[in-house]
Amino acid sequence: KAGVTQTPRYLIKTRGQQVTLSCSPISGHRSVSWYQQTPGQGLQFLFEYFSETQRNKGNFPGRFSGRQFSNSRSEMNVSTLELGDSALYLCASSLLTSDTGELFFGEGSRLTVL
Amino acid sequence: KNQVEQSPQSLIILEGKNCTLQCNYTVSPFSNLRWYKQDTGRGPVSLTIMTFSENTKSNGRYTATLDADTKQSSLHITASQLSDSASYICVVSAASGTYKYIFGTGTRLKVLA
Repeated sequence: KAGVTQTPRYLIKTRGQQVTLSCSPISGHRSVSWYQQTPGQGLQFLFEYFSETQRNKGNFPGRFSGRQFSNSRSEMNVSTLELGDSALYLCASSLLTSDTGELFFGEGSRLTVL
Repeated sequence: KNQVEQSPQSLIILEGKNCTLQCNYTVSPFSNLRWYKQDTGRGPVSLTIMTFSENTKSNGRYTATLDADTKQSSLHITASQLSDSASYICVVSAASGTYKYIFGTGTRLKVLA
């Protein structure tokens, strides 16, 4: 059974650009959640999607957005990149909602903003 | 304010020894508490999930405890192995509110031969 797949694994952008990251959940999983991980702040919750609807959202500015498609694949977009957006972006999938189910994380997309 | 604090920040132990990691939280209303293991450069892997009514859960050599009254959890690792070297992250989920998942900053464990 394939795990959670995130693409791209690494990318470099410059300030002001925008970036789109992709996450393919485990087959059959309907929930996808996104997280930002930095050395200083640790892991922080961005948002969660379930059946194409955003269920929860963390404390991030509107530059961070996401969506989920009918096949449960999800994308997150960061516009007008800032140096502080450099981080490892992780997505996780779960069978139903992530409230009590086990989360399965991907390997992450490491974004560097120059 | 919802917070999760982990201690120690880092820990070095010899292979074969036991260790205990701590997690204190102030999240309310409480939904569940999870422990994750994250190897360097990899995504976190779930170790245990505990709800309010559970006070112990094991996963092989990993045993997590939860005291919902004192809002404390611990992760005990028995007979440590070199492969246990990783960061261990405590995550508490709130039953309601905007910021559902509150992460601790993790404990970095190094197991030496």
